[in-house]
Amino acid sequence: GAVVSQHPSWVICKSGTSVKIECRSLDFQATTMFWYRQFPKQSLMLMATSNEGSKATYEQGVEKDKFLINHASLTLSTLTVTSAHPEDSSFYICSASRTDVNEQFFGPGTRLTVL
Amino acid sequence: QKEVEQDPGPLSVPEGAIVSLNCTYSNSAFQYFMWYRQYSRKGPELLMYTYSSGNKEDGRFTAQVDKSSKYISLFIRDSQPSDSATYLCASYTGGGNKLTFGTGTQLKVEL
Repeated sequence: GAVVSQHPSWVICKSGTSVKIECRSLDFQATTMFWYRQFPKQSLMLMATSNEGSKATYEQGVEKDKFLINHASLTLSTLTVTSAHPEDSSFYICSASRTDVNEQFFGPGTRLTVL
Repeated sequence: QKEVEQDPGPLSVPEGAIVSLNCTYSNSAFQYFMWYRQYSRKGPELLMYTYSSGNKEDGRFTAQVDKSSKYISLFIRDSQPSDSATYLCASYTGGGNKLTFGTGTQLKVEL
């Protein structure tokens, strides 16, 4: 149990376009979902925390108007990178947690390349 | 100072060696300690999960937490080439609070 999926697994887009990444908890209800960004050979950096039905809480330095997060249901959260630029190219990973287990379950990640 | 410090490596060992991976942390409120393994271009997968101080063993893997010295360790016995990956330590206070990751140690186990 506790499987988290992400879609797409990789995406290439042109500079200035918007890209939406989906994160789904397949077999449990995720009360909280987290979005991370990871640059090559670096650790995971938390971008934002989202609770179902609430506005996301963004980490310092993360532009909330650029990285739009929607957590409309207990099994789905989306991250939209608006007006993407080459410096937004990175590996985006989501995780999901549930109230009965003190653990985050990670998705497989989405590799975004902005040309 | 980062809340969780980890030597990025890379660390290269021969097959069969015992591997020791370590982290230190500064936040006394951390109660939960994890080790994740991440293969290239993949999401992290949980290896070991420890609450408070003590040891935990799972097969070839042993996790140790010493809260008095704020030191976290992962030992891998009889290392295999398939263990080659980046190992990330992480801590958090609990209650749905955010994980704080170390930078990750890149491990290569050579034949």
